Amino acid sequence: GIQVEQSPPDLILQEGANSTLRCNFSDSVNNLQWFHQNPWGQLINLFYIPSGTKQNGRLSATTVATERYSLLYISSSQTTDSGVYFCAVDGYNNNDMRFGAGTRLTVKP
Amino acid sequence: GAVVSQHPSRVICKSGTSVKIECRSLDFQATTMFWYRQFPKQSLMLMATSNEGSKATYEQGVEKDKFLINHASLTLSTLTVTSAHPEDSSFYICSAALGTRHNQPQHFGDGTRLSIL
Repeated sequence: GIQVEQSPPDLILQEGANSTLRCNFSDSVNNLQWFHQNPWGQLINLFYIPSGTKQNGRLSATTVATERYSLLYISSSQTTDSGVYFCAVDGYNNNDMRFGAGTRLTVKP
Repeated sequence: GAVVSQHPSRVICKSGTSVKIECRSLDFQATTMFWYRQFPKQSLMLMATSNEGSKATYEQGVEKDKFLINHASLTLSTLTVTSAHPEDSSFYICSAALGTRHNQPQHFGDGTRLSIL
């Protein structure tokens, strides 16, 4: 099945800093989503982005499908950005979403 | 927007109890829903694909007799953890997509935290 790798696994930032999270995948995808999992376990959908670039406030994402990677940018980070960020993909040969291991982000005041 | 509701949010029960978790698509129909399990500090792992009107498809290593899935309508899938034991304690979360699976985002429920004593 499709493999999803996220980096870095852990990231500690000072409030106000910018960061880039990366997601590599091993095969062509129909669907790619970025999620933020809050401390209560809720998965907050950040972006549905199988290709191209999208922006939502301080967050933006870019997926280069031909090169099999996606990037999530967080600018001017805030303490409330802390949590785990997951990338999940749905490959052409799959009928379900596969998650990466996640990036655990800690933003310090 | 598409909303997936999951109930209950938390369950604490004794070993040997069977626990039912419901996943509902509130404002859309879903012929397929997915069930995931997440252990502490780990990623989400797909357990099974729930198909409306037919048997669920289980991932390798997931016991179908242990985790019973029923998708009786286009808006409801249930996961029953039968004779639960402490090792079944985990965070269970479901998802569904609007329309055809591909070319649509997955919408996730808020999850169920199951603790078996």
